[in-house]
Amino acid sequence: TQLLEQSPQFLSIQEGENLTVYCNSSSVFSSLQWYRQEPGEGPVLLVTVVTGGEVKKLKRLTFQFGDARKDSSLHITAAQTGDTGLYLCAGVSGNTPLVFGKGTRLSVIA
Amino acid sequence: DTAVSQTPKYLVTQMGNDKSIKCEQNLGHDTMYWYKQDSKKFLKIMFSYNNKELIINETVPNRFSPKSPDKAHLNLHINSLELGDSAVYFCASSQEWGQGREYFGPGTRLTVT
Repeated sequence: TQLLEQSPQFLSIQEGENLTVYCNSSSVFSSLQWYRQEPGEGPVLLVTVVTGGEVKKLKRLTFQFGDARKDSSLHITAAQTGDTGLYLCAGVSGNTPLVFGKGTRLSVIA
Repeated sequence: DTAVSQTPKYLVTQMGNDKSIKCEQNLGHDTMYWYKQDSKKFLKIMFSYNNKELIINETVPNRFSPKSPDKAHLNLHINSLELGDSAVYFCASSQEWGQGREYFGPGTRLTVT
């Protein structure tokens, strides 16, 4: 069974701070997705990474896929209150359904 | 324009009842999914349809029956509802099976009393 472990589980920071959340597995994934989910809504796809070592930027968000394609990180620079939400990583490997981590719940305080 | 839509948004019902949730996507995707998100926010896949054919059925009780009348629709019917069925159910779609990049609907919060 493929598992994705996300850390930390909860994170509360002040506006303007930087943060990194992690998504780790012992399995290799052909691609990995990051989603953000806000209360009462569905997960929204932020990015997909497919190549080992790949780095993608989305404004203040930087996503990195590990060289071995087993892990990923999300770095947010100068966090804003609008970044508050549940961040989910999800991986796909071969002919299997998307596997989700349990998420990091981020709270950015003004 | 809403890409993946679900109805209803909220559903409150009693144990033993039968209910349905509808999902539609206007993205032209070939694959659709149903997920269940529990109280701890863990998302787990229930079913996946590719071109109207069932390709994934993940240890879901027989009381749950998906139906895909066409590629743009995937409905979920639940018989004899139980307390443990209370959760948020999400419909999603993707261009192809096995490529990730899934787009989610807003969810249906089901409460069984």
